[in-house]
Amino acid sequence: ETGVTQTPRHLVMGMTNKKSLKCEQHLGHNAMYWYKQSAKKPLELMFVYSLEERVENNSVPSRFSPECPNSSHLFLHLHTLQPEDSALYLCASSQDQGSGANVLTFGAGSRLTVL
Amino acid sequence: GQNIDQPTEMTATEGAIVQINCTYQTSGFNGLFWYQQHAGEAPTFLSYNVLDGLEEKGRFSSFLSRSKGYSYLLLKELQMKDSASYLCAVTDSNYQLIWGAGTKLIIKP
Repeated sequence: ETGVTQTPRHLVMGMTNKKSLKCEQHLGHNAMYWYKQSAKKPLELMFVYSLEERVENNSVPSRFSPECPNSSHLFLHLHTLQPEDSALYLCASSQDQGSGANVLTFGAGSRLTVL
Repeated sequence: GQNIDQPTEMTATEGAIVQINCTYQTSGFNGLFWYQQHAGEAPTFLSYNVLDGLEEKGRFSSFLSRSKGYSYLLLKELQMKDSASYLCAVTDSNYQLIWGAGTKLIIKP
């Protein structure tokens, strides 16, 4: 497989559940990102990893916990979420991080519904 | 604060031309991107402008004026498959990407 793959594509969970989103990239990129996409709102950057080190955490609540075990894989662990966390969660990768012409390759997203 | 403005929704006719505008106010500028996102799919890269002027890529062109904080995406010979959301994003002085909320383009036969 090529590109950026996200699983699951759809997830419904209760507020007390624990689940994880997975992202995998086969592009040899050094940087990976988690974004939250809500209807009619700009993409919200959640976390950035560069060479497996977290370089950015944009004041995201602790109920979201990222993990980057290697440069090809990124996880987002979810715990005791709120209904307002329902959104599309997009994973992206780029060759490097911190340059002007940094083109992102996105996955198709995980649609999360919190009941 | 930093801000990107683009219209929420636009409608155009198959075969026609449409221009999607994007204005930005950011702390510094290191380039402007356009991405296309079909419903339920990943955003995909369309264009990158860092210098003023028009960049043409087939049916799609992107224009930038840094002095006006303004860009547009021009789509010619519209096809039904061009129905999608178009996202404008600017890289600021800290190389942070600032995103607009996207423009949903509806193409009618």
